[in-house]
Amino acid sequence: AQSVAQPEDQVNVAEGNPLTVKCTYSVSGNPYLFWYVQYPNRGLQFLLKYITGDNLVKGSYGFEAEFNKSQTSFHLKKPSALVSDSALYFCAVRHTGFQKLVFGTGTRLLVSP
Amino acid sequence: EAQVTQNPRYLITVTGKKLTVTCSQNMNHEYMSWYRQDPGLGLRQIYYSMNVEVTDKGDVPEGYKVSRKEKRNFPLILESPSPNQTSLYFCASCLKGPNSGNTIYFGEGSWLTVV
Repeated sequence: AQSVAQPEDQVNVAEGNPLTVKCTYSVSGNPYLFWYVQYPNRGLQFLLKYITGDNLVKGSYGFEAEFNKSQTSFHLKKPSALVSDSALYFCAVRHTGFQKLVFGTGTRLLVSP
Repeated sequence: EAQVTQNPRYLITVTGKKLTVTCSQNMNHEYMSWYRQDPGLGLRQIYYSMNVEVTDKGDVPEGYKVSRKEKRNFPLILESPSPNQTSLYFCASCLKGPNSGNTIYFGEGSWLTVV
């Protein structure tokens, strides 16, 4: 089955520290991977995606993600967290058999001042 | 501004009272889709449309209907809502569909409560 796992329900980090939000995937064929962020009472906002090419992908708001094929991972990272980064983050992969994204269950990021 | 617009954003309704959640995109995208978000389950696809007059079921289509009469609009219809349809709903659109690698854009969500 094609799936995405976000092993942490919540990640806590202090402002100014680096942050990592983990994502692993299982998919047949080439993975197309996405990260989205959901701020309170806001929609899902696209952060970045990996389709092909460089394994390090840079996205919006200073976020980046590293595609690791051998570990089937696509972890989201940021060198220095901001309080305003506090939100719910979703990792997703395109389903190679159907026209849809398969989402993880989400990780809540809390950045403390 | 490129966007996906959903209405209403918030709705409380009663069991059995038909309702429609509208979705419109201004990006001339061929693909549109509806997802529902529930705690601990992430987002699950309800229906999708690859183009005008072409719709197909997603993972959780029971209790929902859709139509795609125009390229820009993709309404979600709950003919007889039940409490288990209480959820946060997202409309999404994409130029050619997820398998193209195009970015999928989401609306701001519609909070639906069925009592």
